[in-house]
Parts: sequence; structure tokens; C-alpha cells
Amino acid sequence: QKEVEQNSGPLSVPEGAIASLNCTYSDRGSQSFFWYRQYSGKSPELIMSIYSNGDKEDGRFTAQLNKASQYVSLLIRDSQPSDSATYLCAVNDDYKLSFGAGTTVTVRA
Amino acid sequence: DAMVIQNPRYQVTQFGKPVTLSCSQTLNHNVMYWYQQKSSQAPKLLFHYYDKDFNNEADTPDNFQSRRPNTSFCFLDIRSPGLGDAAMYLCATSRGDTNNEQFFGPGTRLTVL
Repeated sequence: QKEVEQNSGPLSVPEGAIASLNCTYSDRGSQSFFWYRQYSGKSPELIMSIYSNGDKEDGRFTAQLNKASQYVSLLIRDSQPSDSATYLCAVNDDYKLSFGAGTTVTVRA
Repeated sequence: DAMVIQNPRYQVTQFGKPVTLSCSQTLNHNVMYWYQQKSSQAPKLLFHYYDKDFNNEADTPDNFQSRRPNTSFCFLDIRSPGLGDAAMYLCATSRGDTNNEQFFGPGTRLTVL
């Protein structure tokens, strides 16, 4: 499987702030990129998919993709305590996902 | 609602006693996956089916087997569970198209005594 690296956590942000999560990948030919949110003891939940360079916004979440730099990021605006979770970056690799190790985010009230 | 269902949600077995975990989907997706996830680790792919074609990961132990009798169901068989097999087992599905979004079921937490 191809390598996917995420910025090491944990990441602690105050309520209302922006949480910024970063991910780099090794395969320049990768085309599909995903962010999953995983609460403790639960399964991963797909929150963002991105396929083209640029930004994609969905509510308080913005995914950014830069294929030239092999970099994908997730911004969480107006962070809420309910955003406290582990966020997994995943890259599609021939019908399989290569996951990063995850970044644990804690939003403090 | 279309979804991925896993049963049971919690499974306790004894060392060496075979166990079967089940997954069903109402999404009519072509691909079904089984992952193992241990605490503070990313999900680790065990194998996947694209329709009836079985694809085993090179490092999946022989102790793990899978069956997909039809489009909707997929089973994970652990022939002789060891203490190291205690984990969350996740089933996921995807259409198998170019973008290949994967959707996970709620998982089965396996405890080995």
C-alpha cells in the first residue's frame, strides 16, 4: 500500500477556533482522497471526499487538495466539542484505501 | 435508509473457538471489505470482494477466511482466535467506481478470553 502521513497529534483547539489537519501521500497518481471522522469506540464515518485540486466546502468543513504537492488538508471552522474525534486521511489505491495514522482532535469548551 | 449492518456488535469467544462475524448491505455495492482495527491504529485491510472475486492481502493470516454468498452478505470467519485477534472488525462497502467512496458499518468488537 502507498504511504499516507498525517500531522502528529493530538491537536487541541478552543471552541469556536479553526482546526487544521494535514495529510501527505506518496503516490503522485492518486486520484481520490477522503477524510473520515472516528469517535472513540465507533466506526469511521466519511465526512469529505475530494478529487480535484482546490477547495471543497461542506458546512463547517473544508477540504483542500494540491496534487502537485501531494497534499490534502481538512479545516474545521467554528470547532465544537462534538468535533472531538480522530480524523483519518485516506487515499484510494486500486479499490483499496491507504489510511494515515489519524489525528486526534480535542475541542475544549 | 441504505446502510451497512454488522452482527453481532459485540462478540466474546474463547481462545481457539471458531467465530463468524457477519455483514450485510442494502446499498447494492459491488465491493465489500473486511478491516481489523486495534486501539489507536488505523484500520488494516484483511481482504475484499469485488463481486465474487476474492482479494486477500498478503499479510492476512491464514486464520482469517471470508465468504460472500451473494451481493448483500459477507462473512468473516476466524478459525482459531488468539488473544492477538481481539480487535474491532469493520465491514465496508463501495460501488467500485473510479472514486470508490467506502462506507463503514458500525463494527463488531471481538473479545478473546
